[in-house]
Amino acid sequence: GESVGLHLPTLSVQEGDNSIINCAYSNSASDYFIWYKQESGKGPQFIIDIRSNMDKRQGQRVTVLLNKTVKHLSLQIAATQPGDSAVYFCAENTNSGGSNYKLTFGKGTLLTVNP
Amino acid sequence: DVKVTQSSRYLVKRTGEKVFLECVQDMDHENMFWYRQDPGLGLRLIYFSYDVKMKEKGDIPEGYSVSREKKERFSLILESASTNQTSMYLCASSSWDYYQPQHFGDGTRLSIL
Repeated sequence: GESVGLHLPTLSVQEGDNSIINCAYSNSASDYFIWYKQESGKGPQFIIDIRSNMDKRQGQRVTVLLNKTVKHLSLQIAATQPGDSAVYFCAENTNSGGSNYKLTFGKGTLLTVNP
Repeated sequence: DVKVTQSSRYLVKRTGEKVFLECVQDMDHENMFWYRQDPGLGLRLIYFSYDVKMKEKGDIPEGYSVSREKKERFSLILESASTNQTSMYLCASSSWDYYQPQHFGDGTRLSIL
């Protein structure tokens, strides 16, 4: 899976399967997490977010799970479609006061969906 | 929907030129950001602004400056472009609410020859 600082991993799935993309974060004080999707030639697109007072949040076909004990975040995509092919990356924020809007981004995971 | 618009998708400039990248957002967001994205290095923050005429350095501000004269517009300036500034530049904006995500434009792919 992905970790902030590692090379870009890849995940290849069949159309219709469920996908799980992982992200490890290092700062135990981080309290807000975001998943982005970036298609080729486009900017990152917001998918879903989660606060540290939650361990699960669901959207349309996507679920984010947060395990604060092991500092792990995952994105689950149900019934993966070819249009889901993209780079997915997580971002974390730490409320440190002052300029606390800065995000730390992971390097991303390339998801390829095979028809 | 939030819309962040970057003025150019592709730009080619020469070494030593002064380059301006423009970004406009339509959601009345207080915060605006400039990143560059390079293969293997991910997204790196250059500068950000949390209010008109306010700016703060990010992680890699050297060789860049910014301008925020109006709330909706944030400009990135390469004072004297160099080949190592060839990159994808991404602008983002977010509201004052800490628990709201940043929203990105589609980027400007800048080549310095």
